[in-house]
Amino acid sequence: AQSVAQPEDQVNVAEGNPLTVKCTYSVSGNPYLFWYVQYPNRGLQFLLKYITGDNLVKGSYGFEAEFNKSQTSFHLKKPSALVSDSALYFCAVRDQAGTALIFGKGTTLSVSS
Amino acid sequence: EAGVVQSPRYKIIEKKQPVAFWCNPISGHNTLYWYLQNLGQGPELLIRYENEEAVDDSQLPKDRFSAERLKGVDSTLKIQPAELGDSAVYLCASSLGTGAGELFFGEGSRLTVL
Repeated sequence: AQSVAQPEDQVNVAEGNPLTVKCTYSVSGNPYLFWYVQYPNRGLQFLLKYITGDNLVKGSYGFEAEFNKSQTSFHLKKPSALVSDSALYFCAVRDQAGTALIFGKGTTLSVSS
Repeated sequence: EAGVVQSPRYKIIEKKQPVAFWCNPISGHNTLYWYLQNLGQGPELLIRYENEEAVDDSQLPKDRFSAERLKGVDSTLKIQPAELGDSAVYLCASSLGTGAGELFFGEGSRLTVL
């Protein structure tokens, strides 16, 4: 069965510093990997996805993620954090058989000014 | 282009009462999902439709939950009777098929059962 782990409940970073939100996954075969962001009382917004090809994927709002097959990881990164990046971030995985998208429990990112 | 529309946004009911949530997906999206999100947790799939067929409802508590997607467009999720533990946010999402396509989510329907 596929699964996603986000080992940190919360990540704190100062504005202007780089940020990383960690994600590891387990899936049969090759994965499709996604990152979503959720602001309070809102639905989930798509940030980026990895399908195949280049291991570094660029997405919305300056975010990027690095796929590492050997470590089964897909960490979300941003070179310079903004206070407005403070939100709840979810990693998700789906196998190529097209099963349901499975989400991690989420990581709260807090960016201080 | 309009996104996924859900209603109501908020619903407060007494336990044992019925409740229904409605979802209108993005036009042309044949795959529709209902997810349950408890406070501080990630979304958990309840049911997935391909057009009007429920292809994955293994996590739907069928004793009290039901869903339908008539004509392969709008969908309704019903709970009858509601229990205290059903208090959560019910998220609807749609996508162009499965596989590599991302899901687009609605704003969610927050249910409070008293």
